Amino acid sequence: AQSVTQPDIHITVSEGASLELRCNYSYGATPYLFWYVQSPGQGLQLLLKYFSGDTLVQGIKGFEAEFKRSQSSFNLRKPSVHWSDAAEYFCAVFLKAAGNKLTFGGGTRVLVKP
Amino acid sequence: KAGVTQTPRYLIKTRGQQVTLSCSPISGHRSVSWYQQTPGQGLQFLFEYFSETQRNKGNFPGRFSGRQFSNSRSEMNVSTLELGDSALYLCASSTGTPDGEQYFGPGTRLTVT
Repeated sequence: AQSVTQPDIHITVSEGASLELRCNYSYGATPYLFWYVQSPGQGLQLLLKYFSGDTLVQGIKGFEAEFKRSQSSFNLRKPSVHWSDAAEYFCAVFLKAAGNKLTFGGGTRVLVKP
Repeated sequence: KAGVTQTPRYLIKTRGQQVTLSCSPISGHRSVSWYQQTPGQGLQFLFEYFSETQRNKGNFPGRFSGRQFSNSRSEMNVSTLELGDSALYLCASSTGTPDGEQYFGPGTRLTVT
C-alpha cells in the first residue's frame, strides 16, 4: 500500500545541536516530496520540496533535505537548532497517479532544550 | 501577495448541526484542497476543487461536501455534525499544476459538543 512513514513521533534536541528527521515513502514511482512545519495552533508552512535533479535541496530557516531513491527516503536536517524550531514537522508526498493530493506522514514533534 | 485565508478561525457547534467553512486562496490560484487534522488520524485529504469542479475526493462520508466559486473561493460544509468531526480543517491553494506545491491557510478549529 502507498504510504508515508515518519518513524519518530517525538525528538528532543538541545539548542545548537544538529537535527535529523526521517521520512520514508512507499510508492511505485518517485513522487514529489515535501517537508512542512506546523507551529502550535497554526497552519502548515512549506520548508522545502524535491521534484527532480539535485538530491540535496535547501529550504527556508536553514533546513535541508536529501532524497535517496535507493532507500525511498527524504530526510530533513538542520545543522544547528534554534529554540524557535520547536514545532511539528510533516513529510508529504504528491503523486498525480495516486490521486492528485498530498499524503502526509504522521508527523514528528520536535522539542528543543535550552 | 496575500496568503490563504480561512474563516472563521474557531467554531463551536452542537452535535447534529451543520457548519460551513470558507477559504480564500492565493490570488491566481485555481485549486483549493481541504484537509482534516485530528490527533488520532493525522492529516487526511477531504477533496480538491479546480475551476469550480471537484477533481478529487478523499475517503470521507457524504456529510462532508464542498464547492468552489468562480473567484476560486471555496466553502466546505459538514452536515449532521458528530463529536468525531472536531478537528482542525485546513485549506490549501495551488495553481493546480502537477507539481502539487500547496500553500496552507491557518485553519479553522471546529469543536463539536
